[in-house]
Amino acid sequence: EAGVAQSPRYKIIEKRQSVAFWCNPISGHATLYWYQQILGQGPKLLIQFQNNGVVDDSQLPKDRFSAERLKGVDSTLKIQPAKLEDSAVYLCASSLGWGSYEQYFGPGTRLTVT
Amino acid sequence: AQSVTQLDSQVPVFEEAPVELRCNYSSSVSVYLFWYVQYPNQGLQLLLKYLSGSTLVKGINGFEAEFNKSQTSFHLRKPSVHISDTAEYFCAVAQTAGGTSYGKLTFGQGTILTVHP
Repeated sequence: EAGVAQSPRYKIIEKRQSVAFWCNPISGHATLYWYQQILGQGPKLLIQFQNNGVVDDSQLPKDRFSAERLKGVDSTLKIQPAKLEDSAVYLCASSLGWGSYEQYFGPGTRLTVT
Repeated sequence: AQSVTQLDSQVPVFEEAPVELRCNYSSSVSVYLFWYVQYPNQGLQLLLKYLSGSTLVKGINGFEAEFNKSQTSFHLRKPSVHISDTAEYFCAVAQTAGGTSYGKLTFGQGTILTVHP
């Protein structure tokens, strides 16, 4: 069974530029999560999708971050414009859906904003 | 709302020695508890979980954890560590039911376990 795929693995941009990350969850997983992991901290949930609907985006900085999961499968997270404090690893995870508490994580995208 | 505190940011230990990584949580509702491991440049992998039943939970790679409701703790243990256990370990909680927090994981800040030969 293929795991959660993410790309790119690494990205370096200058502040005020835009960037996009892609995630393809495990086949059949209805729930998809995006987390931000700042160095030295645990992952923090940015947004949770159930199929193609948003369940929780309370911690997403909506003035600069956006995410979509149009067909209920893969997802894109965008930052525009980026700030220095956005430097972090962005993790995507998926789970079967409601009632399933086991999340499977991708390898993450390491973003450096200079 | 819930929170997780991992009491040690770094734990150095010699190979074949026992280890305990401590985790305390705070929540106004019932929670499920998890330990994840993160190897360098990789995503998180589930080690073990407590959903219900026996308070002693066994996971992969010889790890186990004990849920203590009165002390709101979920400490991770291994009787004999290997070099390959060197990684960062995260404790997490999820609200059991209700509202938009259903299934949402709240993580601690992590404990770096370093196993020395």
